[in-house]
Parts: sequence; C-alpha cells; structure tokens
Amino acid sequence: KNEVEQSPQNLTAQEGEFITINCSYSVGISALHWLQQHPGGGIVSLFMLSSGKKKHGRLIATINIQEKHSSLHITASHPRDSAVYICAVNGAGSYQLTFGKGTKLSVIP
Amino acid sequence: NAGVTQTPKFQVLKTGQSMTLQCAQDMNHNSMYWYRQDPGMGLRLIYYSASEGTTDKGEVPNGYNVSRLNKREFSLRLESAAPSQTSVYFCASSGDWGREAFFGQGTRLTVV
Repeated sequence: KNEVEQSPQNLTAQEGEFITINCSYSVGISALHWLQQHPGGGIVSLFMLSSGKKKHGRLIATINIQEKHSSLHITASHPRDSAVYICAVNGAGSYQLTFGKGTKLSVIP
Repeated sequence: NAGVTQTPKFQVLKTGQSMTLQCAQDMNHNSMYWYRQDPGMGLRLIYYSASEGTTDKGEVPNGYNVSRLNKREFSLRLESAAPSQTSVYFCASSGDWGREAFFGQGTRLTVV
C-alpha cells in the first residue's frame, strides 16, 4: 500500500508570499493528483500529473518520479487560497486513490 | 453541467437505522467512487465501480453496500448504521483509472 505524506500539516502565510506544499509517496505511481478542499467542504481537482510540471494561473505543480516527490506552489498568495490542499496518488493501473492527510493553508491579509 | 451531485447534504441517523446515499454524474464517466473523510485521516475508499455493472471493495467496505444502478448513478447503503460510521461521505467520478477525479459536495452523516 502506498503511503502518502504531506508537509507541512499547517501553514500560515502573509498575503503575497510564495507558498510550497510538499508530497512524498512510497511506491511507484501512475498519476498524482492535487486537490483543494475549501472550508465549505467541497473538493476540487487542481492538477493531475504523471511527469514534469503543470501551471494554472498562480498555481504550479511539479513531480519528480525518481525521488517520489511532488510540490504544489502558489505564487502571490491571496486569502481566497485559504483551504486544505490534498495530495493523492494512483498506483500503476489502479482505480484506487491513496490520499495524504492534507495541508491546511491560511493566508492572512 | 452539474458535475457530481450527491444527496442528502446532511443526515442524522439513530444506531441501527438504514439509509442510502445517492450519487449521480452527468459527465459520462465510467468510474465512480465512494469515500469517507474522518478528522485527522485522509480520504479512504469505501467502494468503487470501474464501469457500469461492476463494483469492488476499497479500503474500508465493512458495513456498507453499493449499487451501480446505471452509468450515471452509484448509491451507497448503510444497512444498520453504527456510530463509527459518523463521517463525511464523498462521491466521485472519473473517466477511467488515473484520470482527473470530480467530487460531489459531500454528505455529513451523524449516527447517534
């Protein structure tokens, strides 16, 4: 079973700061997902990646397959970015996602 | 597009009662999933359906049953609710394994 670890568990940042959230996993994967969960509870997919780097607006996700590690970066953070960010992985050919416990981000004006 | 719709949003049950959580998606996705989310733990897979007509157990299936009624709908049933099933339940769908997942808004279930 894949183990997914996220760090930090909690993060408080000032508006405008550059933010990095890390995710590491123990076994080879076919895909890694970054998800966002707002205080209201809904979960939204931000990225799905299997190699390299993806960018969407102020969000950037990278993955290093050899090191079994991914990072989610937020540039010019804003209070509306406050949420829980969750990393999840698919094993090779697997329907099952294994989730990290999430990183709670609070961005202060 | 509505995406993934699950009902109800909130439910309180007494121990031993039964209920069914409903989930429907309008994205023509093959795969559908039921997860539970508990404080301090990551989401955990209860059951999934890789395609219409198939269902498989996930990590925590005990106490639950599922039905893939058609390609759109995937329901989760608690036959005899227990306090340990107090949780937030999420339905999700994806085109196939390893594809982007879309989640419902969640059902907050309390069993007293």
